[in-house]
Formats: sequence, structure tokens, C-alpha cells
Amino acid sequence: KQEVTQIPAALSVPEGENLVLNCSFTDSAIYNLQWFRQDPGKGLTSLLLIQSSQREQTSGRLNASLDKSSGRSTLYIAASQPGDSATYLCAVAVGTYKYIFGTGTRLKVLA
Amino acid sequence: SAVISQKPSRDICQRGTSLTIQCQVDSQVTMMFWYRQQPGQSLTLIATANQGSEATYESGFVIDKFPISRPNLTFSTLTVSNMSPEDSSIYLCSVEISGFSYEQYFGPGTRLTVT
Repeated sequence: KQEVTQIPAALSVPEGENLVLNCSFTDSAIYNLQWFRQDPGKGLTSLLLIQSSQREQTSGRLNASLDKSSGRSTLYIAASQPGDSATYLCAVAVGTYKYIFGTGTRLKVLA
Repeated sequence: SAVISQKPSRDICQRGTSLTIQCQVDSQVTMMFWYRQQPGQSLTLIATANQGSEATYESGFVIDKFPISRPNLTFSTLTVSNMSPEDSSIYLCSVEISGFSYEQYFGPGTRLTVT
């Protein structure tokens, strides 16, 4: 059974810091891995999608990496801003159209 | 990408009643999904809704409690039946549009409180 864990559960950093969010999964047989952002009481915004054959994806200040063999992904946020404050979720596609979500990391960037 | 809307955005309901949540997409999609996010928890898939066929429910979710309709390729509804306070959650619909990358896009969610 696939399990997805995110560490840390919560993180508070001063503005301008570079930071890394971690996601681990127990079964390497995944179709892809997707990182989402969720603002309080809101839906999910897709940030980055990494296909199982890819090692990383970049969008602006965000960079996500994937190491299937070790069951790990990281989301790197450069030069963090208060507007980055949100909960970040990773999800793995374990079968056709089925995603397993991680527990999330609550990020707070202090001005 | 896809633009997804949900109605209502939030509601407060009494136990024993039912609520139907609507999900509308701005383009035709094959696969639509319904998720539940209980307070402080991550997302759990309730069911997959295919147009023209019965929804496929995940373990722990049953059609009598969460009936789903999918009348066309841009619309779906989820009903939460005979509600109890334990049904208080955010309900989200999502779609997969590419048919290749399995990337999912989510609606804004419906926040349900059952008193």
C-alpha cells in the first residue's frame, strides 16, 4: 500500500530564505508526482508535475526533483516571500487516474 | 489547464439532511474525481466519475452515502446524504484533461459544516 509522507509538517522562515520541502513515498511504481499549493480554506493549485521518467521540473522560483529509486521528492523554493505562505502537498499517481496525497507541509514566511 | 467551479462554496447543514455539490468545467473532460479533506487532514479520493457509467468508489465510500451523477463531459454532482457532523469537510472535484500526463486540476472546494 502506497504511503506518502511529508517532512516537516510545519515550517516558519524569514523572508528571503531558500527552503526545501520533502516528500517520501513507499512504492516506487508511480506514474508521476505532483506538487500542489493550498491556501487556507481553498482548493489546490498545481505547481509542478514530474513524470516518472523525469528527474526535475522548474517553474520560476520553484524546483522539484524526483528520485524514484529512493522514493523521494523535494520542492525547493528560492528567495521565499510572504505570499508563499500556504500548505504544500505532494501527490503520487499510483495507477491510472488515482492519486495518493501526502500529509502536507504548512509554510509560513515571515516579513 | 482547465477552469473548474464548484457550487456552493460553503454551506452549513443540519444533521440528517443531504447536500448536492456541483462541479462545472470549462472544457470537456473524460475523468472527473471527487475528494474529501477532513479538518487538518490531507485529501482522500471518494470516487471517480465517468460520463455515461456508474462512478467507481474507493474503499470506505459507498454510493448510498455519496451518490454521484455525471450527465455530460463538463459537469458532475456529488451528494452527501444523511449527513452527520463527521461529514464536515472540504469536498473538492478535480479533472484530468491530458490523457497522457495524468496531471490533475482542482476546483476551489466546497466547505461543508454539519451541525
